[in-house]
Amino acid sequence: GAGVSQSPSNKVTEKGKDVELRCDPISGHTALYWYRQSLGQGLEFLIYFQGNSAPDKSGLPSDRFSAERTGGSVSTLTIQRTQQEDSAVYLCASSPGGKGNEKLFFGSGTQLSVL
Amino acid sequence: RKEVEQDPGPFNVPEGATVAFNCTYSNSASQSFFWYRQDCRKEPKLLMSVYSSGNEDGRFTAQLNRASQYISLLIRDSKLSDSATYLCVVNSYNQGGKLIFGQGTELSVKP
Repeated sequence: GAGVSQSPSNKVTEKGKDVELRCDPISGHTALYWYRQSLGQGLEFLIYFQGNSAPDKSGLPSDRFSAERTGGSVSTLTIQRTQQEDSAVYLCASSPGGKGNEKLFFGSGTQLSVL
Repeated sequence: RKEVEQDPGPFNVPEGATVAFNCTYSNSASQSFFWYRQDCRKEPKLLMSVYSSGNEDGRFTAQLNRASQYISLLIRDSKLSDSATYLCVVNSYNQGGKLIFGQGTELSVKP
């Protein structure tokens, strides 16, 4: 079975441009997370989707960041007017969801470089 | 204060050593706890869940102390292949169930 798929694997963009990062979770997983990891740092929580509930956006660092999850499956993280400090690896993870089903399955991440 | 905090690293130990990592969490309502492992430039993978009674998986032992709000991971008889970053993860149901990662502790096992 397919795991979590993220695209693109690498993205180089110029400061001020918008970027979209895509995540295809494991089929049937109701929970989906986005994290950001800068070089040598831990995982920074960005946003969490659980089923049909309103997403938890408490980790989004600014209003330039937004994410959506269509049909309870694919998710897109959008960064508008990118800045150099946005450069990081963006990791998506999914889990079956619910108490006792919290094991996270991560994608390989998108390495974003803002020049 | 960060929601989840870990021992600063790196830990440099010889093969065969026993090493312990601690992790503290700030939300007393937290109910689920995990240790993940992350190899260099790879995605994190679940190492083990942490149960109230403590649990063991081969050379790895995880313990939870709810009163003091900390979690520990003990690795016995360290192998070179244990070299990685170990991430403490906490799920807080009163915050909708999101999973929060600590900053990680790097372990380097030397021959």
